[in-house]
This record gives sequence, C-alpha cells and structure tokens, in this order.
Amino acid sequence: DVKVTQSSRYLVKRTGEKVFLECVQDMDHENMFWYRQDPGLGLRLIYFSYDVKMKEKGDIPEGYSVSREKKERFSLILESASTNQTSMYLCASSLGSGGAYEQYFGPGTRLTVT
Amino acid sequence: AQSVSQHNHHVILSEAASLELGCNYSYGGTVNLFWYVQYPGQHLQLLLKYFSGDPLVKGIKGFEAEFIKSKFSFNLRKPSVQWSDTAEYFCAVMMNSGYSTLTFGKGTMLLVSP
Repeated sequence: DVKVTQSSRYLVKRTGEKVFLECVQDMDHENMFWYRQDPGLGLRLIYFSYDVKMKEKGDIPEGYSVSREKKERFSLILESASTNQTSMYLCASSLGSGGAYEQYFGPGTRLTVT
Repeated sequence: AQSVSQHNHHVILSEAASLELGCNYSYGGTVNLFWYVQYPGQHLQLLLKYFSGDPLVKGIKGFEAEFIKSKFSFNLRKPSVQWSDTAEYFCAVMMNSGYSTLTFGKGTMLLVSP
C-alpha cells in the first residue's frame, strides 16, 4: 500500500512566521505535489516536483516555495505566513512521466494563521 | 488552461436513490479522467479512473462513470446510494501530455439520509 504521510494534522501559526509543511512517501514515486483545499474551491495545485531538486509552479504558487532534497520528501514553505493562507494542505505522490498515473494523497495538514 | 466543472455543489439523497454527478472539462486533446472521494475525516482516495478503452468504467463501492468524448463529460453514477456514501466527490482531469498534473473540479458534497 502506498503511504503518504504529512508531519502535522493541525498547525496554528502567527502572521509573519515561516512555516514548514513536510510530506513523505514510501513508494519511490518520482512525482510529488502540494495542493491547498478550500471549501467551494476544490483542490488547487501550488507546486509539484518530478524529480529530486526539480520543481515546477502550479496554479497558485504565490507566497509559497518548495524543497525536494530527497526523493521521498517534499516540503512546502510559507516564507511569511498570512491569514489568507489558512487552509487545508494536501500532499500527493505518483509514479513518473511517460504514463498517466493516479495520485495518492496524504491525510492533510489544517493550517490556521492568526 | 484546462478547467473542470462539477454541476452541483451539494446533493441530498435518501438511501436507495440513484445518483448521478455531472462533470465536464474543457480541453480539446486526449485526457485521463478521475473521480476521487473524501469521506468525512479521511484522506482523498481514488474512486475510479479512465485512461483509454471502454468508456464505461467501474470503480469501488458500486460506482461507475461514463466518458462521453463528444460532450467532454465524465459523469459519476451509482444505482442505489447508501448512508456510507456521504462524502465529497471530486472530478479531476489530467492532460495526456507533459507533466502528470491534475486539474480538479470544485467538488460535490453528497449527503445521504438514512
């Protein structure tokens, strides 16, 4: 079974803080993704990575950065958290290019910025 | 850019009623199509997927979906819903080229009353 884990289920941070969200997958997947999920807006892609040290912007990258130093780990960074970044953050992983593969999701981190 | 439209934001049904959730996408090329489900308090999981071949695909828990290329649609169906089907349902599209990223619809919240 593919397992995608996220470091925290709930997180409360103050405006202006630097926030790290961690994601680890155990299936040697090449691709990893970060989404945010908001009521009525569905899932929106923030960043994704198709290989170690490689990253691509998704649909809403502003205010975020990512890091992928190891294949199994993909970090989302909020450089200076703001209240409009209060959201549910979902990490996902999938096999690599050359085919259409389903994405496997982690349980999510509910981030509140006060 | 491609987009995905889910027709209903909220659906309320009684047990044993039939279900059809609409999904349309806007992209003229070859696509791969997915339905994901998120049960209350659980992570997002795959319900079914279409890559190629028979346009009628069957998924878990008695769900099925039909890909109609001429209508750019991928509607989800179940002949008889159960209380345990209460969940949020997301349609997603992956272009069959480039990176394996998903574009999600905004979701449909299904409430099944016993």
